[in-house]
Amino acid sequence: ELKVEQNPLFLSMQEGKNYTIYCNYSTTSDRLYWYRQDPGKSLESLFVLLSNGAVKQEGRLMASLDTKARLSTLHITAAVHDLSATYFCAVALEYNNNDMRFGAGTRLTVKP
Amino acid sequence: DTGVSQDPRHKITKRGQNVTFRCDPISEHNRLYWYRQTLGQGPEFLTYFQNEAQLEKSRLLSDRFSAERPKGSFSTLEIQRTEQGDSAMYLCASSLSGMSEKLFFGSGTQLSVL
Repeated sequence: ELKVEQNPLFLSMQEGKNYTIYCNYSTTSDRLYWYRQDPGKSLESLFVLLSNGAVKQEGRLMASLDTKARLSTLHITAAVHDLSATYFCAVALEYNNNDMRFGAGTRLTVKP
Repeated sequence: DTGVSQDPRHKITKRGQNVTFRCDPISEHNRLYWYRQTLGQGPEFLTYFQNEAQLEKSRLLSDRFSAERPKGSFSTLEIQRTEQGDSAMYLCASSLSGMSEKLFFGSGTQLSVL
């Protein structure tokens, strides 16, 4: 059974600092997603990673995928308060792309 | 394009009652998903439609749950004989079939079973 683990689950950062969120998954997959969720809101898609070595960047966020290690990272550069949210990674099952498994989420708080 | 709409936003019900939620996906999207999210957890897959066909249903999903997408447009999720453990946020998402399968989520229906 596919398991998706994120760490850390809680992250408190100072503005301007860098940090990385990790997403490990237990079986092979060919698609990995990162989503953002603000309190009381729905999920917003950030990145879709489709192949080994894929790297995508949007503003202060950069996501990468290593399918051999079954690991994705979400790197935050020079954090700002607006990045405070919960970040989820989600992995699509290789044999059933319609069943996407989410990690428990990383609750990020960026302090001034 | 108004995005994925869900109704109602909140539902409070008594244990044992039936509830029904509605989801209107983005109009050109042929795929529709239902997820459930509890506090502090990631969304949990419930079921998936391609057009009007329900192609996938979670093995963990109780028989009290049923979903329909009668004309391949909007979808309904019904929970019969609700239990307190059903309290959660029910999220609908839609997508257009293709390589990236980016999901667009609605704002969800928050169910509270008393």
